[in-house]
Amino acid sequence: GAVVSQHPSRVICKSGTSVKIECRSLDFQATTMFWYRQFPKKSLMLMATSNEGSKATYEQGVEKDKFLINHASLTLSTLTVTSAHPEDSSFYICSARDIPRTGENTEAFFGQGTRLTVV
Amino acid sequence: GDSVTQMEGPVTLSEEAFLTINCTYTATGYPSLFWYVQYPGEGLQLLLKATKADDKGSNKGFEATYRKETTSFHLEKGSVQVSDSAVYFCALSRAKTSYDKVIFGPGTSLSVIP
Repeated sequence: GAVVSQHPSRVICKSGTSVKIECRSLDFQATTMFWYRQFPKKSLMLMATSNEGSKATYEQGVEKDKFLINHASLTLSTLTVTSAHPEDSSFYICSARDIPRTGENTEAFFGQGTRLTVV
Repeated sequence: GDSVTQMEGPVTLSEEAFLTINCTYTATGYPSLFWYVQYPGEGLQLLLKATKADDKGSNKGFEATYRKETTSFHLEKGSVQVSDSAVYFCALSRAKTSYDKVIFGPGTSLSVIP
């Protein structure tokens, strides 16, 4: 199946700094990528939908200025956590779908996740 | 809107016991249904899926059948192993466009003891 690569897998940063997480579709083009956040022992909550060449669509309650999303190409989306604080510590996962052929379903592929710890 | 409900656990079973994790969904039309597994400290892996009513998804001894009449997609395994200890997420998605997001249930933590 298709592969979504997410980097880094773990990052520790100091409070007040910014962290960038990359999500790449390795063998397919993704016009849309999704960013999820997972709190400890909780489910995955969709943060935003990233659209290639246009602004991301954020879910209710997600701060646009805190979580900057850039989708500059069909294979790369980035999530930047700006001015990180300890409460931003979490597991972040990206997902991408390939472009469906007529009449066929598409499958969502997930990255390995990034564990962010803000100290 | 679309949603997924599943038993949250935690579920603790002895090795070789029978496993059932219940999952029900709310959605219009015919979404695709999925079970994902997350092992400790790792990302998500697709375990199995079903794309239409009465389809049965199966993988690694796990099975789930898409029941439209009861809007359910219960996960079963006849004999669990210690290595099956993980968190299991039921999910749904409409899969016709690249814009369709995946909606997850709350997850069920499974611990299998020797």
